[in-house]
Amino acid sequence: SQTIHQWPATLVQPVGSPLSLECTVEGTSNPNLYWYRQAAGRGLQLLFYSVGIGQISSEVPQNLSASRPQDRQFILSSKKLLLSDSGFYLCAWSLGRTGGYGGELFFGEGSRLTVL
Amino acid sequence: EDKVVQSPLSLVVHEGDTVTLNCSYEVTNFRSLLWYKQEKKAPTFLFMLTSSGIEKKSGRLSSILDKKELFSILNITATQTGDSAVYLCAEEGTYKYIFGTGTRLKVLA
Repeated sequence: SQTIHQWPATLVQPVGSPLSLECTVEGTSNPNLYWYRQAAGRGLQLLFYSVGIGQISSEVPQNLSASRPQDRQFILSSKKLLLSDSGFYLCAWSLGRTGGYGGELFFGEGSRLTVL
Repeated sequence: EDKVVQSPLSLVVHEGDTVTLNCSYEVTNFRSLLWYKQEKKAPTFLFMLTSSGIEKKSGRLSSILDKKELFSILNITATQTGDSAVYLCAEEGTYKYIFGTGTRLKVLA
């Protein structure tokens, strides 16, 4: 069966510090991968998605970046965090089928980031 | 630009009530419409709808899609306190899943 792991679960970082959140998927090949951010009391905002190794699409201009160094690994990074980067970050995956019919979106447990 | 709008934003009901949550969408290259329930952490999957007019049902929850009018509804009958959560609607376009802001449901005992 497929599983998705995301870490760290929580972190508190000072403004201006770097960030690295990691996500790995097991039990499937060539998944589509996603990073979402959820501010308190809000819906999920799509940040990045990837349909293959090294292929990253950015949805929202910001000081975050994403990378996919391996088929089932997705990393969210920042060189210098802002207060506005605080939130709940979710990694997710769907089947990587031709034409984009991914079906159900499966989520990791999330990473809660507080920037002070 | 793809867009998903949910209403109401929040709702307070008493146990036993029936609720209807709404989701409208504007999307190019529609693939599917999904509903999720979010309590404290990650959203959990409820339904995926691809065809118009076919109701999906799971216990007290049901959902239907209208592809002509571009909306979906989620019904919860005989609500329980355990139904208290944020309910998220998402549309799947080409490779992207766009979520609405969610409906926060609180069920009072």
